[in-house]
Amino acid sequence: AQRVTQVQPTGSSQWGEEVTLDCSYETSEYFYRIFWYRQLFSGEMVFLIYQPSFDTQNQRSGRYSVVFQKSFKSISLVISASQPEDSGTYFCALSEPRLGYKLTFGTGTSLLVDP
Amino acid sequence: EAAVTQSPRNKVAVTGGKVTLSCNQTNNHNNMYWYRQDTGHGLRLIHYSYGAGSTEKGDIPDGYKASRPSQENFSLILELATPSQTSVYFCASGQGGNSDYTFGSGTRLLVI
Repeated sequence: AQRVTQVQPTGSSQWGEEVTLDCSYETSEYFYRIFWYRQLFSGEMVFLIYQPSFDTQNQRSGRYSVVFQKSFKSISLVISASQPEDSGTYFCALSEPRLGYKLTFGTGTSLLVDP
Repeated sequence: EAAVTQSPRNKVAVTGGKVTLSCNQTNNHNNMYWYRQDTGHGLRLIHYSYGAGSTEKGDIPDGYKASRPSQENFSLILELATPSQTSVYFCASGQGGNSDYTFGSGTRLLVI
């Protein structure tokens, strides 16, 4: 069973628009973190932001923020003022301390931002 | 700058042959991970390690072995490579706590 689900295989936006990418996950742990990574067309994985489970505040980092709905086990990545350079594949990943901090990935959302 | 370096970047192997993928990190992270990426599956965990001398099975360990001889180095070994192991392999390091994970650039493996 998929523990991290990204139901949008693809997405698109126009330059300057706000983009929301969705992710849901399954865990029985109290402490965990949800990470967002972007994979460039070269294959490089770039860290964007993470949300700790114990923090009720939605995290922000530059143009990236998350909407964390803990009770629904759902988290969305919001990219403000999207740019063509934001194009790539976005992965959501779950990290659980009790399971060795290993990252469990979703299948990714491929985003294309039109100029 | 702290980094994760994988070698080789590309590899062509013959079915039944032995393949070793190498990973070196300068982050001084305790934990290291090997993933494979295939279309439609995202990244799937093969093996991971908590430190020198330790290896643990991930979600898809069959057909793979791992070796962690030192804090810095973590190898993935395919004793008898098969075409189904054709994939892109990523190594990563992490420390848990409040740190993120650093990924290598990936190794493209083609088994013919």
